[in-house]
Amino acid sequence: NAGVMQNPRHLVRRRGQEARLRCSPMKGHSHVYWYRQLPEEGLKFMVYLQKENIIDESGMPKERFSAEFPKEGPSILRIQQVVRGDSAAYFCASSPQAARTSAYNEQFFGPGTRLTVL
Amino acid sequence: GESVGLHLPTLSVQEGDNSIINCAYSNSASDYFIWYKQESGKGPQFIIDIRSNMDKRQGQRVTVLLNKTVKHLSLQIAATQPGDSAVYFCAETGGTSYGKLTFGQGTILTVHP
Repeated sequence: NAGVMQNPRHLVRRRGQEARLRCSPMKGHSHVYWYRQLPEEGLKFMVYLQKENIIDESGMPKERFSAEFPKEGPSILRIQQVVRGDSAAYFCASSPQAARTSAYNEQFFGPGTRLTVL
Repeated sequence: GESVGLHLPTLSVQEGDNSIINCAYSNSASDYFIWYKQESGKGPQFIIDIRSNMDKRQGQRVTVLLNKTVKHLSLQIAATQPGDSAVYFCAETGGTSYGKLTFGQGTILTVHP
């Protein structure tokens, strides 16, 4: 059973370009979470999605960032008009059950996408 | 705001020693705590978890202790091995934020052969 897949693993963008990060959850998982990690810091929650629904986006910047998890295909984290401060590692995690019905659900993390903005 | 933090950013031990990594949390509504291990260039890996109705839980070579009175969490690793070298994070969830993990800063554990 493959784990959480993320691609690309490394992404370089110039200021003002768009970055698209992809996450394929583990088989059978319908809940996806995105986190951002700055160097030498812990992970910061960004957004929690189920298929075709955003459940909690309280950690997502209001501008330039968006996320989706369509009925078919991977979850996408999109960053428009990137700035140097967006340089970070972006991790996706997935879980098999609804977080609100089972708080004690392990989140399985992917290997991350390291975004560098020049 | 609410946060989860660690007392020590780095810890160096000799192979075979026991390691203790500490974590403080401030959200009194937290009811589920997890320790993750993150190796360089990889995503966090689940180590052990504990619910707030427990004060101790043991796994293979690892033990998590929870002190709700002082909002403190610790991870004990027995007979530490070089392969244990990594960054260790505590994380919590609970209250109205199920699904949203709040991570601490992290402790770098270095095990010397």
